[in-house]
Amino acid sequence: EAGVAQSPRYKIIEKRQSVAFWCNPISGHATLYWYQQILGQGPKLLIQFQNNGVVDDSQLPKDRFSAERLKGVDSTLKIQPAKLEDSAVYLCASSLVGTGHTQYFGPGTRLLVL
Amino acid sequence: EDQVTQSPEALRLQEGESSSLNCSYTVSGLRGLFWYRQDPGKGPEFLFTLYSAGEEKEKERLKATLTKKESFLHITAPKPEDSATYLCAVQGNAGGTSYGKLTFGQGTILTVHP
Repeated sequence: EAGVAQSPRYKIIEKRQSVAFWCNPISGHATLYWYQQILGQGPKLLIQFQNNGVVDDSQLPKDRFSAERLKGVDSTLKIQPAKLEDSAVYLCASSLVGTGHTQYFGPGTRLLVL
Repeated sequence: EDQVTQSPEALRLQEGESSSLNCSYTVSGLRGLFWYRQDPGKGPEFLFTLYSAGEEKEKERLKATLTKKESFLHITAPKPEDSATYLCAVQGNAGGTSYGKLTFGQGTILTVHP
């Protein structure tokens, strides 16, 4: 079974530029998550989708971050404009619907903002 | 708000030297406690899910246990390939909704020397 796919794997940008990350979840997983992992810390949830709808975006900095999940499958996370403190690994995860189900993570996108 | 604290922050062991990692948590209505392994440059890899106090799960040299306030990850006779960061996360009741997010600890960096 194919895992969660993410691209690109690495990205270096200047501050105030924009960047976008792509995620393709495990087939059949209706719930998709974006996490931010700063070096030395555990992942922190940014946004959670169930099918096309957002169910939790309470920790998403909405003045600069946006995310969408078209057709309930692939998802894109965008940062515009980027700040130095956005340097982190952006992880995508997916799971079956409901609590208690395991979240499976992709390899992540490593972002460096200069 | 759900909280997770892991200790120690780093642990250095000799090959064959057994030890335990601790995960202390506070959560509103535990739906699941998850252990993940994360290798450098990769996304978290699922190890175990525990749902209720007294539950135990084993996989090769790893054994996870759960009480009402803590979880332990016991490593028996570790090998160098067990070196990684081990992450603990809880999924709570999320205020009565069915969309509980994962709240992670900061991780324990385990190094096993040959």
